[in-house]
Amino acid sequence: DSGVTQTPKHLITATGQRVTLRCSPRSGDLSVYWYQQSLDQGLQFLIQYYNGEERAKGNILERFSAQQFPDLHSELNLSSLELGDSALYFCASSGPSGRAYEQFFGPGTRLTVL
Amino acid sequence: GDSVTQMEGPVTLSEEAFLTINCTYTATGYPSLFWYVQYPGEGLQLLLKATKADDKGSNKGFEATYRKETTSFHLEKGSVQVSDSAVYFCALSEASGTYKYIFGTGTRLKVLA
Repeated sequence: DSGVTQTPKHLITATGQRVTLRCSPRSGDLSVYWYQQSLDQGLQFLIQYYNGEERAKGNILERFSAQQFPDLHSELNLSSLELGDSALYFCASSGPSGRAYEQFFGPGTRLTVL
Repeated sequence: GDSVTQMEGPVTLSEEAFLTINCTYTATGYPSLFWYVQYPGEGLQLLLKATKADDKGSNKGFEATYRKETTSFHLEKGSVQVSDSAVYFCALSEASGTYKYIFGTGTRLKVLA
């Protein structure tokens, strides 16, 4: 158990819909990272938050957005969903400093868009 | 930009065979390097890490050495078990800035009894 929790574990929805994925980092960790794992793209970095502020963006679509709340949990919002958005979405957290020697991954949320 | 290249899988070995999974990287500066393992239906677990040149990471019989001169971080295990069957990801963490991870494509290992 990494100490990072993600909900829900599975999500099935239809094209055009909007969903929210939730992540709670390990106690004391200030950084949260979101990754997408799909068969064709592999593991791709989406976005990072540090202590409530966006720090970096990767290959994140404009239809996707995220935020980190004062209690440090984070949410990833996916809207106008397309079939190609079906993937495993991982959240990871890292330590109290900005330097990520090691990231701890949650179990993931499997999103299926029908 | 930074990148990680892993050997293509799947790799199929008999139990007790020697394992090598190659990983090379391209990066500016001095990144940290990691191997993560993903068992079927699960998330990623850190297997081992190295934060500077010539560091050797080791865990559960797996080893990898940070080779700056060859920009490599190959994963090795002397004697694999059926329970090692999983997907292995090599990753680097940027040396500065966001420290986000860049992952290789993953290598699926199947160990036969």
